[in-house]
Amino acid sequence: SAVISQKPSRDICQRGTSLTIQCQVDSQVTMMFWYRQQPGQSLTLIATANQGSEATYESGFVIDKFPISRPNLTFSTLTVSNMSPEDSSIYLCSATPGQGIETQYFGPGTRLLVL
Amino acid sequence: KQEVTQIPAALSVPEGENLVLNCSFTDSAIYNLQWFRQDPGKGLTSLLLIQSSQREQTSGRLNASLDKSSGRSTLYIAASQPGDSATYLCAVRGSTLGRLYFGRGTQLTVWP
Repeated sequence: SAVISQKPSRDICQRGTSLTIQCQVDSQVTMMFWYRQQPGQSLTLIATANQGSEATYESGFVIDKFPISRPNLTFSTLTVSNMSPEDSSIYLCSATPGQGIETQYFGPGTRLLVL
Repeated sequence: KQEVTQIPAALSVPEGENLVLNCSFTDSAIYNLQWFRQDPGKGLTSLLLIQSSQREQTSGRLNASLDKSSGRSTLYIAASQPGDSATYLCAVRGSTLGRLYFGRGTQLTVWP
């Protein structure tokens, strides 16, 4: 299995500012993903973060708004840029170890409130 | 595009009941299906993963079945307990290491 931690666990931010969320996995993983979960909704995939290459964004999400880094096989960051109240959500980091382990694991999430 | 639907959206039962949560998906060409549990304010905990070649998986009081050809999966919870109260999410993957497509979940409340 993979244990995933996220920082911060929650934050309250002013509109127009940016927040970087860190995701740390306790073992090397092949695939990392960033999801958003808005109140009362299911999970929406923002992007897939591959080590050594640009992240792949889903429709409706752009790199300028949600820049992602994946410097190694255990760590990734998601930045929410120029925030507005509509960005208030839970942001979840996820990883699939690969190499025969296909279960997808999730971090505890980062609760973001934008005022 | 893959679409995942979960029925019912919410369920409230007394403890001890056996429960069935339903999940359906539009594209039967899946690689695997995973059931998760989400507690309020928390992340997702993986419960069961079923490969496309499998018919079911069991873990304790949980049993998940998969009928790929009809695009359906069920999660069976035996002898429910108040600690089972959570939102249960179904997700399908279309290819190895590919993205997951999630349903909206079933919010389960088990009262003493």
